[in-house]
Amino acid sequence: SQELEQSPQSLIVQEGKNLTINCTSSKTLYGLYWYKQKYGEGLIFLMMLQKGGEEKSHEKITAKLDEKKQQSSLHITASQPSHAGIYLCGADKGSGGSNYKLTFGKGTLLTVNP
Amino acid sequence: NAGVTQTPKFQVLKTGQSMTLQCAQDMNHEYMSWYRQDPGMGLRLIHYSVGAGITDQGEVPNGYNVSRSTTEDFPLRLLSAAPSQTSVYFCASTPDRVYQETQYFGPGTRLLVL
Repeated sequence: SQELEQSPQSLIVQEGKNLTINCTSSKTLYGLYWYKQKYGEGLIFLMMLQKGGEEKSHEKITAKLDEKKQQSSLHITASQPSHAGIYLCGADKGSGGSNYKLTFGKGTLLTVNP
Repeated sequence: NAGVTQTPKFQVLKTGQSMTLQCAQDMNHEYMSWYRQDPGMGLRLIHYSVGAGITDQGEVPNGYNVSRSTTEDFPLRLLSAAPSQTSVYFCASTPDRVYQETQYFGPGTRLLVL
């Protein structure tokens, strides 16, 4: 089965600092999803990547998928307390077209100190 | 649209008791899934459905039953609860198997089995 390794497990940053979270797969990623979760709540969709070398941005968050499609990174610029939460990467277990049964990484807990 | 709704929000059970976690969506999505989230484990797929009347097992199906009699509802049944089933349960729905579409998650049900 496809394993997704996220790093770091947890991260504490000062407000205004940049940070990067990584998601690495042992197999080719055919659809890589980034979600954010606040404590006690459900998952909020951030971005989805599918093509090697693809990069997407939304506000201060940028996600990239490497050319080999085995590693993705999530970069937050000028972090704010509102960015705090758990960030999860999820991937299609198959070769595409299985977005209803994702494999998830264990998550990265982000704390942003004001 | 209410999106994906889950009831109850929180439940305490004794070992051996049975219960049903309810999940409903009003977006006419064909695909629905159940995940459990445990500390340090990320989300793991329990069961999923690709349409009314069709269900299949995910990564951790033991101890859980599902059925899908309508497009809208996808209940998860615990026949004889065990402490190992203490977890947060998330239901998700997906409009299409095309991997550009993301899953929409409910707010979760926190289950404690004593």
